[in-house]
Amino acid sequence: EPEVTQTPSHQVTQMGQEVILRCVPISNHLYFYWYRQILGQKVEFLVSFYNNEISEKSEIFDDQFSVERPDGSNFTLKIRSTKLEDSAMYFCASRDGQGVDTQYFGPGTRLTVL
Amino acid sequence: GEDVEQSLFLSVREGDSSVINCTYTDSSSTYLYWYKQEPGAGLQLLTYIFSNMDMKQDQRLTVLLNKKDKHLSLRIADTQTGDSAIYFCAETLNTGGFKTIFGAGTRLFVKA
Repeated sequence: EPEVTQTPSHQVTQMGQEVILRCVPISNHLYFYWYRQILGQKVEFLVSFYNNEISEKSEIFDDQFSVERPDGSNFTLKIRSTKLEDSAMYFCASRDGQGVDTQYFGPGTRLTVL
Repeated sequence: GEDVEQSLFLSVREGDSSVINCTYTDSSSTYLYWYKQEPGAGLQLLTYIFSNMDMKQDQRLTVLLNKKDKHLSLRIADTQTGDSAIYFCAETLNTGGFKTIFGAGTRLFVKA
């Protein structure tokens, strides 16, 4: 069964450093998402991406965050200057936009900012 | 507003049925979901229901949707110790980005 994959599984970085989290969505999917889950809290929507542009973003997704689909397969989340409070599990998701139109989530990247 | 609410804890005995409840506020939902999350792990999609359905059964899982009351429930029959986890209720909204809003999760404890 096709699945969303994410790399790395765990990223440790120093405060102020830039990080790029990578995702490979399911190949025929058209909509892509990033969510985050701070330890012990709920999963929060960050951003949705369709047709090479952001279609919706939350108030969490400020100027420190950006997304990109640099080629036909990868979808990345960049955090420019990480803060301690960015430590969380980051989930990528994709959906095909037709038929049984559910979102499929990746396994997550645990980001630890020291 | 967009909000999904769930009770935080549920404790049942092995072999009993578990019922986890959820309420949501946004009526523009398309799909409603139940996800399972074990400690340190990702989100496992258990089941989903389209917003124009009332009920869905999938082996030990039964989902009931009351659209009028904006209430969703997940019943797990014959609950096992392996069912101990956090269960998230979620809805995908019919907005431009079709984002998914999650509840805070219900921690299910199954006592042997």
